[in-house]
Parts: sequence; C-alpha cells; structure tokens
Amino acid sequence: AQSVTQPDIHITVSEGASLELRCNYSYGATPYLFWYVQSPGQGLQLLLKYFSGDTLVQGIKGFEAEFKRSQSSFNLRKPSVHWSDAAEYFCAVGEPGGYQKVTFGTGTKLQVIP
Amino acid sequence: GAVVSQHPSRVICKSGTSVKIECRSLDFQATTMFWYRQFPKQSLMLMATSNEGSKATYEQGVEKDKFLINHASLTLSTLTVTSAHPEDSSFYICSARGGTGGYGYTFGSGTRLTVV
Repeated sequence: AQSVTQPDIHITVSEGASLELRCNYSYGATPYLFWYVQSPGQGLQLLLKYFSGDTLVQGIKGFEAEFKRSQSSFNLRKPSVHWSDAAEYFCAVGEPGGYQKVTFGTGTKLQVIP
Repeated sequence: GAVVSQHPSRVICKSGTSVKIECRSLDFQATTMFWYRQFPKQSLMLMATSNEGSKATYEQGVEKDKFLINHASLTLSTLTVTSAHPEDSSFYICSARGGTGGYGYTFGSGTRLTVV
C-alpha cells in the first residue's frame, strides 16, 4: 500500500527566508506526486504535481518540488517566503491505475514570522 | 478552470438527525468523486470513492450505512450522514477527478459538520 511521510509537523520561518518542506513516499513503482496547501477552515489547493519527465516541477505561487527516485522524496521549496504562505501543506501520492486513489501525508503547518 | 462547489460550508445538527452534503463539479464532468474526512489537526482520510451510476466503494472501517453516498449525475455527488452523533463532527471534503490537468483532482471548499 502507498504511504506518505511528512516528518515535520510544524515549521517556522522568517518572511523572506527560503523554505523546504520534506516529503517521503512509499510505493511499489513511480507514483504520481502532489503538493496541496490548505488555509484554515478552507479546502485544498493544488500547488504542483509530478507525473513523469523533468524531476524538477514548477508550481503556483513560486513553489517548486524535486522528485528524487533514489531517496523516494518529493520535497517542496520556495526561495523567499511571504507572510501569506502561512498555511498547512500536504504531500500526497496517487496510484497511476485503478481508481487513482490519493493518499495524503499528515501535513506540515507553516508559520511565517516578520 | 475546474471548480468544485461543496455545500453547505458549515452545518450544525442535532444528534440523531441526518445531514446531506453536496459536491458539484461546475464546469466539467466528473465520473469519479472522492469523499474525505479530516479530524482537527490531522490529515485527510479517504472515506469512499463515488462513481457515477454505480455504488460507492468504501474504505475499510467506514460504515456505508452511516455515510450514504449517491452519485446520480456526472456533476453531483452527495454524502448523507445518517443518525449523526457528536463523534461524526468533522471536516468533510470532496474532490472530483477531471477538470484542469485531469489527474490531480479539484477539491471542494469543505463542510464543517458539528453535531450537538
């Protein structure tokens, strides 16, 4: 069964600093990988996704993620964080076939300080 | 772009009553919709997969008689929480497969259910 691990429950960064959120997955083959963001009390917004090809994926709001097969990782990065980036971030893995179910990690809460 | 509308956004109901939550794909057809449940400060847990015109597939441990799912059209899936109890209070989110980028799912804005 597929699984996702986000080792950091909570991260605090200063506005303008760089950000990296970690994500490791477990899947028998190459899965589809996603990063979503959720503001308090809101639904989910897709930041970016990886299906195949270039392992460095660009997303919205200046985010990018790099797929590293050897490390089973899909870390999310942003060079300069803005206060509006404070939210909960979820890494997710999707199975390419069948119902294409998506499994979410436990999330990382990002706090941005002035 | 792909939009999924979920209604209501918040609902408070009395214990023992039933509540229906709607999930609509506004500008695309969604043959498959998914229902998730999110407990406070936790991740999203898949409850069931809803396929248009057929019975929903429930995840292990989810009571199908308590959480009734109907996907009667290509743009609408409903989740009915029957005989609700306080422990059913949670944040319920739907997603629809399709729309922009296809795979990657578009999510609704969620429904906060409080059972008193």
